[in-house]
This record gives sequence, C-alpha cells and structure tokens, in this order.
Amino acid sequence: GDKVKQSPSALSLQEGTNSALRCNFSIAATTVQWFLQNPRGSLMNLFYLVPGTKENGRLKSAFDSKESYSTLHIRDAQLEDSGTYFCAAEGAMLSGSFNKLTFGAGTRLAVCP
Amino acid sequence: EAAVTQSPRNKVTVTGGNVTLSCRQTNSHNYMYWYRQDTGHGLRLIHYSYGAGNLQIGDVPDGYKATRTTQEDFFLLLELASPSQTSLYFCASSDPWGPQDTQYFGPGTRLLVL
Repeated sequence: GDKVKQSPSALSLQEGTNSALRCNFSIAATTVQWFLQNPRGSLMNLFYLVPGTKENGRLKSAFDSKESYSTLHIRDAQLEDSGTYFCAAEGAMLSGSFNKLTFGAGTRLAVCP
Repeated sequence: EAAVTQSPRNKVTVTGGNVTLSCRQTNSHNYMYWYRQDTGHGLRLIHYSYGAGNLQIGDVPDGYKATRTTQEDFFLLLELASPSQTSLYFCASSDPWGPQDTQYFGPGTRLLVL
C-alpha cells in the first residue's frame, strides 16, 4: 500500500545488465524483507534486513532506517531473475502490532535475452 | 520437503458458498499468517496467530474467520463467499524468537467465487 511504496512498478532488463529496485517507507520501519514471486506464483524470501546491507550472489540489499528506504540491486541479470519482487516492512508504527509485515505492491521484472 | 503446505491449491465456489482453506507448517514456528494477494495491492494480511488457540486480526479481516487448531495447522474460513474474495491466498509461518524473523510462504491457493 501507500505506507510501503515500491519503484519502479515494472522493469525490463537485458540479460547481463544491472539494475536496482527501491522501496520507500512513509513511516519508520525496523526490519525489511525482500521476496521474489516467480512466474508460477511461489514466494521466496531473498533477504531479511535490519539497518545495513546484505549480499547473496548477484543480489545485494540495503536498508537505511533513518532515510526510510531499502534497495535491492541485481547484478548480471539472468532469465531466472524474472518475476515480481516485493519488499515488506515490519515496524510497530507501520502495522500497530508486533511482527506484522506491510507489503509494497511489487516490481514486476522481465529479463530478456 | 516443503515446510508450509496449503490445500486446496485451486477452489471454485459460488456466491454464498462456504469455503475452508487449510495451511500446515512443519517449521515448528509459533506464528502463522493468512494473506491475500490482489493486483496492485501486493499481499495484505487477513488474520494471524501467535500459537494454537490464538487469533489476531489483520488489516483486511472482513468476511473472514480463522482458527488455529494446533501449532502446525491454521485454517481460513469464508462462510458466505462473495466475488470480492476471489484472490490468491497465501499462508506463512515465522519464528520471531529465532535469529531472524523471516516469513516462509506456502504455494498459495487460488480461489474463484462466481
């Protein structure tokens, strides 16, 4: 929803190129999770972040709680990276309760040969 | 082996029908969640639970009931289904007392209400 705003909403990448997805939070977030939903609909957790950065293979994610945003960088995009990427934030102020996640609307990524 | 399973995977019902969606997790997690996914909204939380017998209201609870019978099993109940409840439903589990509170999702249930 509006409390977690993802950009861009859709993206097309050439295989082998790099890109970044962004998530802005309108209210303070304490942790952030990034998920990939593949074309078959399955949701896979990519990162769980407290403020800071994490890297896993060609993916790198950062969460800046002071500036209220998170990024997901994709390096050397491959065809299997295609899908919809969701960020989700946890924070007492966002959801009003412990451990609830608020999701963004997603970024639909298509990687082309 | 999948740690969060959902059944059925697909369901068609008529307006006013009674539907039960099932979720089972073998992660030994205390927390379980039901979400719905609709185009343009991402995932929205319907109900969640801290443990067997516990139920918490999510962000979009209207028209839904839920019941957590055991640590493993969480059910979502639509007693009078409406077309607005046509959606993709996901169940998830997590362990907030673990090293990181990652949510693990089931494969989803597609529900069509005619």
